[in-house]
Amino acid sequence: DTGVSQNPRHKITKRGQNVTFRCDPISEHNRLYWYRQTLGQGPEFLTYFQNEAQLEKSRLLSDRFSAERPKGSFSTLEIQRTEQGDSAMYLCASSLSRPGDEQFFGPGTRLTVL
Amino acid sequence: KQEVTQIPAALSVPEGENLVLNCSFTDSAIYNLQWFRQDPGKGLTSLLLIQSSQREQTSGRLNASLDKSSGRSTLYIAASQPGDSATYLCAVRPAAYNTDKLIFGTGTRLQVFP
Repeated sequence: DTGVSQNPRHKITKRGQNVTFRCDPISEHNRLYWYRQTLGQGPEFLTYFQNEAQLEKSRLLSDRFSAERPKGSFSTLEIQRTEQGDSAMYLCASSLSRPGDEQFFGPGTRLTVL
Repeated sequence: KQEVTQIPAALSVPEGENLVLNCSFTDSAIYNLQWFRQDPGKGLTSLLLIQSSQREQTSGRLNASLDKSSGRSTLYIAASQPGDSATYLCAVRPAAYNTDKLIFGTGTRLQVFP
């Protein structure tokens, strides 16, 4: 399978715990994006990387959130001290870096904070 | 600030009908517009990508049009089938030098009944 993969697919945690999600992009794609989608809403942009450089962060990405892409391949998104409001689907996408290139999405990680 | 609106929010039609989903956006400075399909609890499947220089794209029973100057796109589904039941999202990619993200609408939830 050469598409975008995300792990885990589902995560249930208790409020206050830390969680980490992983995204593996399509191998030749140098841009990687994270989005968050709450129930009944469209996805909202969180951050994106060009290779290992984090080029943009949304104001939605509070100081409890951190994303990395250390070698320009896979990426991790960590949420510290989770809150019930963090419950959402976290989507990862990748693309080439030319303007107008298509973004390809992974299956998402569903986070439930109890 | 770019905003994307989708109308209607929900649609229920009998099998076989042709239908049109609408998407509007407030800023015509875009690289492209994508239509996605999302099944409940799943990730996004890209259906059609229209570059800003294009007027329409077709794939099987799907046809998407783009009128950039008026800020509108439509997704036409011919001869709808129960398997078409899903949420359809449109997203624009703003043409800006200092950002790279998709801005999504809230989706149209489609139900096709036999």
